[in-house]
Amino acid sequence: GAVVSQHPSRVICKSGTSVKIECRSLDFQATTMFWYRQFPKQSLMLMATSNEGSKATYEQGVEKDKFLINHASLTLSTLTVTSAHPEDSSFYICSARIQGYEQYFGPGTRLTVT
Amino acid sequence: DAKTTQPTSMDCAEGRAANLPCNHSTISGNEYVHWYRQIHSQGPQYIIHGLKNNETNEMASLIITEDRKSSTLILPHATLRDTAVYYCIVYGNKLVFGAGTILRVKS
Repeated sequence: GAVVSQHPSRVICKSGTSVKIECRSLDFQATTMFWYRQFPKQSLMLMATSNEGSKATYEQGVEKDKFLINHASLTLSTLTVTSAHPEDSSFYICSARIQGYEQYFGPGTRLTVT
Repeated sequence: DAKTTQPTSMDCAEGRAANLPCNHSTISGNEYVHWYRQIHSQGPQYIIHGLKNNETNEMASLIITEDRKSSTLILPHATLRDTAVYYCIVYGNKLVFGAGTILRVKS
């Protein structure tokens, strides 16, 4: 099956700093990528939809100025958490869609803000 | 996107078939039913999807009722490694996850 990678897998940062998470589709081109967030013992929450070469579409309640998404190529999307605070600590997961409906997920990035 | 209802948790004996139900009574005619699973602290894994016909692949079978208001995911011979949270999702133009079913496979 198609492979999606994320980097880093874990990151710890200090409050007030920014963190960038990369999502790559390794063996296919993805016109659309998605970013999710998951808190402990909860389900995945869709944050935004990212189309290559255009601005991301954010879900209601997600701050676009805090979670910056860049989808510069068909194989790379990045999520930058700006001015991170402890409440931003979470498991961030990206996914990439091949044409059609199948979506493949990355392994996730565990962010801890101290 | 149509809402889905799944049992909170289920147990299954190793080697037996695991049948996971899902209700999606508000599904629209062009919406697919997708199933994913998530093993602890990993990204979700695609299992199977269907529109109205039953589907089978190397992982599972998907049975969709004729009125499309419910479906059942079948893992034919569950193993301990199938212990995970299983999500039934009605796919409009994006995957929106509900609470899912925690499946525990026991030896």
